[in-house]
Amino acid sequence: SQTIHQWPATLVQPVGSPLSLECTVEGTSNPNLYWYRQAAGRGLQLLFYSVGIGQISSEVPQNLSASRPQDRQFILSSKKLLLSDSGFYLCAWNRQDSFYEQYFGPGTRLTVT
Amino acid sequence: KQEVTQIPAALSVPEGENLVLNCSFTDSAIYNLQWFRQDPGKGLTSLLLIQSSQREQTSGRLNASLDKSSGRSTLYIAASQPGDSATYLCAVRQAGSYQLTFGKGTKLSVIP
Repeated sequence: SQTIHQWPATLVQPVGSPLSLECTVEGTSNPNLYWYRQAAGRGLQLLFYSVGIGQISSEVPQNLSASRPQDRQFILSSKKLLLSDSGFYLCAWNRQDSFYEQYFGPGTRLTVT
Repeated sequence: KQEVTQIPAALSVPEGENLVLNCSFTDSAIYNLQWFRQDPGKGLTSLLLIQSSQREQTSGRLNASLDKSSGRSTLYIAASQPGDSATYLCAVRQAGSYQLTFGKGTKLSVIP
């Protein structure tokens, strides 16, 4: 069976500090990978997606970036955090088949102070 | 631009009641629609996936229907239980897109 991991689970960072959130998927190969942000009172917002190693597409221009150094690893980064970066960050994956059912990780709660 | 709306935003029902959650979308050119459940502070759990060519899907006490032409989907929960209390999210994938567009969810409370 497939499992998706995210860490850390919770993070409190000061404004201007760097960020690195990691997501890994087990039990599958060549998945599509996604980063979403869920802010209080708002819906889920797609930030980045990747269909292969080194292939990153950005949906929302901002001070965040994503990388996919390995097939099942997806990293979300920032050089300098803003207060508005606070939120719940979710990683998701789906198989590259005809159904594209998406599965989500447990999330990382980021608070920028 | 696709927009997904879920009504009501919150719903409270007594245990044992059957209930319906609604989802509407503005662009009917969808590839599929997915219903999720989210518990407080947790990730999303996939409940049901309906392909655009399908009319409904069932899993246990859950039944989801899709009327693509009218831009509507419903999630029917039979014999509700306190453990069903959570936020339910609807999301659609456009044809030719990797992106899921989410509604803001319906927060369900099942009272014992």
